[in-house]
Amino acid sequence: GAGVSQSPRYKVAKRGQDVALRCDPISGHVSLFWYQQALGQGPEFLTYFQNEAQLDKSGLPSDRFFAERPEGSVSTLKIQRTQQEDSAVYLCASSDVQGRQDYGYTFGSGTRLTVV
Amino acid sequence: AQKVTQAQTEISVVEKEDVTLDCVYETRDTTYYLFWYKQPPSGELVFLIRRNSFDEQNEISGRYSWNFQKSTSSFNFTITASQVVDSAVYFCALIPPGGDKIIFGKGTRLHILP
Repeated sequence: GAGVSQSPRYKVAKRGQDVALRCDPISGHVSLFWYQQALGQGPEFLTYFQNEAQLDKSGLPSDRFFAERPEGSVSTLKIQRTQQEDSAVYLCASSDVQGRQDYGYTFGSGTRLTVV
Repeated sequence: AQKVTQAQTEISVVEKEDVTLDCVYETRDTTYYLFWYKQPPSGELVFLIRRNSFDEQNEISGRYSWNFQKSTSSFNFTITASQVVDSAVYFCALIPPGGDKIIFGKGTRLHILP
């Protein structure tokens, strides 16, 4: 596609519910990133994929968070047993070159998750 | 530790005024990239500029300019003759070697008043 697409745009979940957030990167992009942006804060790194391999998941805040990219394109971020502190905007970004530092990455518009 | 600090949480200026957004970073790496992103109300992060740690030349792009000073670990962003459409949250960010992680500051919310 022309850009990084994320769905749903908004998600309201009851505390304890499981949620799945989807990211469609730009076609052919090798690298895919997930970031969490709490209200009034900058985005914080969650995890990084290169094709289907999850190379870094050091930012995932707990074992309730799980991400996958089984075919090296679409990625899903799953949060189990959601808690109020999980409320945030979840941003996905992709890049066409592995580990390239001089490219700014293309971000999606994010999924705003509200846990009530 | 790697860190980006944007001390200005929120700034309001009247349209057509110039405004500078400050950014100070910390890193022990000698090679790194610095970025500025704009986040309008729609939420997506829009890439504005990147700077290689070895390139200290200042850059101007239309009404935007950037001042990179390695000696003070600063990468400040100036908007000249601001416009209402410049209203957004602006993030300064650092990418360490490897490029697999972006370290963002907390952002500066800029209000341009008509």
